[in-house]
Amino acid sequence: GENVEQHPSTLSVQEGDSAVIKCTYSDSASNYFPWYKQELGKRPQLIIDIRSNVGEKKDQRIAVTLNKTAKHFSLHITETQPEDSAVYFCAASKTGAGSYQLTFGKGTKLSVIP
Amino acid sequence: DSGVTQTPKHLITATGQRVTLRCSPRSGDLSVYWYQQSLDQGLQFLIQYYNGEERAKGNILERFSAQQFPDLHSELNLSSLELGDSALYFCASSGTGPGETQYFGPGTRLLVL
Repeated sequence: GENVEQHPSTLSVQEGDSAVIKCTYSDSASNYFPWYKQELGKRPQLIIDIRSNVGEKKDQRIAVTLNKTAKHFSLHITETQPEDSAVYFCAASKTGAGSYQLTFGKGTKLSVIP
Repeated sequence: DSGVTQTPKHLITATGQRVTLRCSPRSGDLSVYWYQQSLDQGLQFLIQYYNGEERAKGNILERFSAQQFPDLHSELNLSSLELGDSALYFCASSGTGPGETQYFGPGTRLLVL
């Protein structure tokens, strides 16, 4: 089955700096890659996603890049703010028999230091 | 608010007991997914239902079962509970197309003593 590796597991940045989280996946058939933000004790919330026919997607301070050849995708957060502090999860999904289950990475705990 | 609701919010029970977790998907969503989140295992996919039928199974124990009812709400049944079953259980719902966004409910925190 699919395996998603996520790095780093923890990340501390100064407010205003950029943060980058990287994920790799194993199944070349995967074609949908969402990123979720989870605050302590809360539900995962989708912050951005990308599909395999697109190499990059941006939404204000957040961007995701996808390299299908390398089976690698990354989350970039610019001008970080204290409210960006949370655990971020990458995930991968593929179509097939109507099931689009997500395989998650282990998460990255981002701390933004004021 | 994602539009996905889950009850109860918290559940404390003893080993060997059985509990039922409930999930109502967003209006119009036919798919319901169940995930388990524990400290050491992260978010793990358990099972998916689509319009009342089981569609996919992940790392779900035989002691666990689920179903989706005609009104599309879903229940996850956990039996013969063990200490290691203590976790956050999330359900998520999505539409019908491939790669449809999954929206998560607030979760049920289960503590087995």
